[in-house]
Amino acid sequence: NAGVTQTPKFRVLKTGQSMTLLCAQDMNHEYMYWYRQDPGMGLRLIHYSVGEGTTAKGEVPDGYNVSRLKKQNFLLGLESAAPSQTSVYFCASSPGLVTEAFFGQGTRLTVV
Amino acid sequence: KQEVTQIPAALSVPEGENLVLNCSFTDSAIYNLQWFRQDPGKGLTSLLLIQSSQREQTSGRLNASLDKSSGRSTLYIAASQPGDSATYLCAVSNDYKLSFGAGTTVTVRA
Repeated sequence: NAGVTQTPKFRVLKTGQSMTLLCAQDMNHEYMYWYRQDPGMGLRLIHYSVGEGTTAKGEVPDGYNVSRLKKQNFLLGLESAAPSQTSVYFCASSPGLVTEAFFGQGTRLTVV
Repeated sequence: KQEVTQIPAALSVPEGENLVLNCSFTDSAIYNLQWFRQDPGKGLTSLLLIQSSQREQTSGRLNASLDKSSGRSTLYIAASQPGDSATYLCAVSNDYKLSFGAGTTVTVRA
């Protein structure tokens, strides 16, 4: 069972470059989430999706875009990376609101 | 907006001592509360899930309580071991998302 898989695991970007982070889940979950984790701040929600074709903004959506074209995949895009986007990014999925959430192993992104 | 607080931010105990980790939240209209463990440089591993209608949940040496009306949860780890050293995060589910505390970093000294 793969669970939630994030690609890539590590990435270094130059300021202004773009990239896409891929999250894939094989559990047929409806809900998917993108979080960022910064030291001392806990996890903050960037965007989330409650089903295929839907997306919604979380707490810190600026500078990011997302797409959920297929139920199993949730993509996070950075159009023009900034040093403030240096962080560890986590994807998560869950069957619904009252059920357990499962997390990927994270993507460590550095913007120089 | 849901605010989740975990106190203390860090804790160091000798092996064998019981651990008590606290989590508080401001909006009691939650669906559930989940405790996670995070090892350095790793992802989050789910430890316990407590539904809003439950008062506690147990798994092995771990026991979590939930007092929704007062906005508090406590994670107890009995007879701590060096392998319990990690950061423990609590998260509450409401309004279609999970809101996290900043975590408690635990060190168990051998």
